[in-house]
Amino acid sequence: SQTIHQWPATLVQPVGSPLSLECTVEGTSNPNLYWYRQAAGRGLQLLFYSVGIGQISSEVPQNLSASRPQDRQFILSSKKLLLSDSGFYLCAGQDRQTQYFGPGTRLLVL
Amino acid sequence: GQQVMQIPQYQHVQEGEDFTTYCNSSTTLSNIQWYKQRPGGHPVFLIQLVKSGEVKKQKRLTFQFGEAKKNSSLHITATQTTDVGTYFCGGSDPPGSYQLTFGKGTKLSVIP
Repeated sequence: SQTIHQWPATLVQPVGSPLSLECTVEGTSNPNLYWYRQAAGRGLQLLFYSVGIGQISSEVPQNLSASRPQDRQFILSSKKLLLSDSGFYLCAGQDRQTQYFGPGTRLLVL
Repeated sequence: GQQVMQIPQYQHVQEGEDFTTYCNSSTTLSNIQWYKQRPGGHPVFLIQLVKSGEVKKQKRLTFQFGEAKKNSSLHITATQTTDVGTYFCGGSDPPGSYQLTFGKGTKLSVIP
């Protein structure tokens, strides 16, 4: 299995400010990694996934970007946050075919 | 693209009643997984089903994978307040796919 670490747990940011959310993984080497967003009371929307260092696939056009500078590090970024970027951001790692989620970051853009 | 529908969206039950959530895919799945998200928490893996017609049990929870591998269900017998949360199904297709397509979840409330 894997352990997924995310921080911070909660973040309040003004519109137009930059964003950097970090996710690190313990366990399986070279895991597939994922960023999801969950709006309040809604399902899981896949934002990005990565199958290796420097390899990022985007699922939806948006104001966000992702990077994977190291095998066990996955970063979600934005240059200028929008109000609509508010939500619960979850990082997940895949071990075999099971996904293990981190504790998430609740982002509120004001 | 693949779509996974989950019903109902919400379910309120009296403690002790049974609960079932259903998951339907637009395509045949190689496997299906179930996750539980407690209020304020993150999704936690419950189980994976791979074989056609497979049934697995975890205490009061029974998971089924349809014969055509396009639908699945989670049944909870005699719900307890600890069962409160949102239950998600996630389907994988084709085999070895990098992605899970999740349903929107069923939010379960248990009235004590």
